[in-house]
Amino acid sequence: ELKVEQNPLFLSMQEGKNYTIYCNYSTTSDRLYWYRQDPGKSLESLFVLLSNGAVKQEGRLMASLDTKARLSTLHITAAVHDLSATYFCAVDLSGTYKYIFGTGTRLKVLA
Amino acid sequence: DTGVSQDPRHKITKRGQNVTFRCDPISEHNRLYWYRQTLGQGPEFLTYFQNEAQLEKSRLLSDRFSAERPKGSFSTLEIQRTEQGDSAMYLCASSYGTLSYEQYFGPGTRLTVT
Repeated sequence: ELKVEQNPLFLSMQEGKNYTIYCNYSTTSDRLYWYRQDPGKSLESLFVLLSNGAVKQEGRLMASLDTKARLSTLHITAAVHDLSATYFCAVDLSGTYKYIFGTGTRLKVLA
Repeated sequence: DTGVSQDPRHKITKRGQNVTFRCDPISEHNRLYWYRQTLGQGPEFLTYFQNEAQLEKSRLLSDRFSAERPKGSFSTLEIQRTEQGDSAMYLCASSYGTLSYEQYFGPGTRLTVT
C-alpha cells in the first residue's frame, strides 16, 4: 500500500526566513504534485513534477523530486504572511490515475 | 472555462437521510475523480471515471455510496442512510487525456450529518 508522509506537520516561521517541507513516499512513482489549501477552501495546484530530478519554481516556492530516494521537497524562500496555508503533496501510483495525498503541512508565517 | 464546479457547496442533513452531490468537470476532461477530506487530514480517494465508465472504487466506498457519470459529463455521488461519520468535505476533480495526470479540483461540498 502506498503511503505518503510529510514533515513537519506544523510549521510556524517568521517572515523573511527560509524553510523546507519534506514529502516521502513508500513505493515507485515518477509523478508528484504539490497543492495548497486555504482554510475551508479547495485545493490549488502549485507544482507538477513528472520525472526524476525535476525542479520547478514559482515565486518564493521551489519544488524538487528525487524518485530514487522517493522524496520531494518544497522550499520556501523569504516567507511572507500570504504563504500561510496547508500544503499537500500527492503521488499517483504508476498505471493508475488516483492520487494518494500526504498528511499535509500546516504553515503559519508570523509577521 | 470556469473550472470544476460542485453543487451544493454546503449540505446539512439528519442521520439516516439520503444526499446527492453533483460535480461538473472542466469541459472535455474525460476523467473525473471523487475524494473525501475530513478535518485535518489529506483528501482520500473514493472513485474515478473515465468517460462514463467507473474504473476504480476505494474500499472506503461502502455500499451506501454510489457514484454515476451518465454520458461521461457531470457526475453524481449519492450517500444513502447517512451516518455522522460521513461528515466531511467531498471534493471532485477532473483531468484530460492519457498523458495529462494533473487533476483540477472543484470547490468541494461540505456535508454535515447531525
